[in-house]
Amino acid sequence: NAGVTQTPKFRILKIGQSMTLQCTQDMNHNYMYWYRQDPGMGLKLIYYSVGAGITDKGEVPNGYNVSRSTTEDFPLRLELAAPSQTSVYFCASSQKETDNSPLHFGNGTRLTVT
Amino acid sequence: AQRVTQPEKLLSVFKGAPVELKCNYSYSGSPELFWYVQYSRQRLQLLLRHISRESIKGFTADLNKGETSFHLKKPFAQEEDSAMYYCALRAGQKVTFGTGTKLQVIP
Repeated sequence: NAGVTQTPKFRILKIGQSMTLQCTQDMNHNYMYWYRQDPGMGLKLIYYSVGAGITDKGEVPNGYNVSRSTTEDFPLRLELAAPSQTSVYFCASSQKETDNSPLHFGNGTRLTVT
Repeated sequence: AQRVTQPEKLLSVFKGAPVELKCNYSYSGSPELFWYVQYSRQRLQLLLRHISRESIKGFTADLNKGETSFHLKKPFAQEEDSAMYYCALRAGQKVTFGTGTKLQVIP
């Protein structure tokens, strides 16, 4: 099993450009998450989804959009990139909220906005 | 709202010394707590969860509801333990992470 796969691994954007960070999982997990990781700040939740067609905002959703058209895919879209969005982005999935289900993480996408 | 606090950004210990990574939480309900680890150039991965009461790679963590803590401990640090450690709390669908502690084991 591939687990959680993120693409691309690295990207440099100019201010104002847009892009989509891809995330797919092959574990049939219901829950999927997007986090950003900034030095000294830990992981901040951007958006999450509890199933296809359902998404909800996390702590830091401004400047991002998501969609969940299938169970497997949970892309994160940046419409107008800003330097403050320079970060490492992690996608994660888990089976469900009970049974202490842990998160399974992708390898991350390192994004630089200049 | 839930909150996870890891007071130390960096913890340096000598090889063979005991390790304790602190984690405190605030949550009104019954918490589900986890420790995740990120080794250099690797993805975040689960280390252990409180409900399992397990020992993984020599690490243990006990949930203390009175002190609202979930500290991670290991009696004898090894060089391969050097990594970034995150404490996390699951409340329903949301999972909240602390800011992380970088553990540096000095040979």
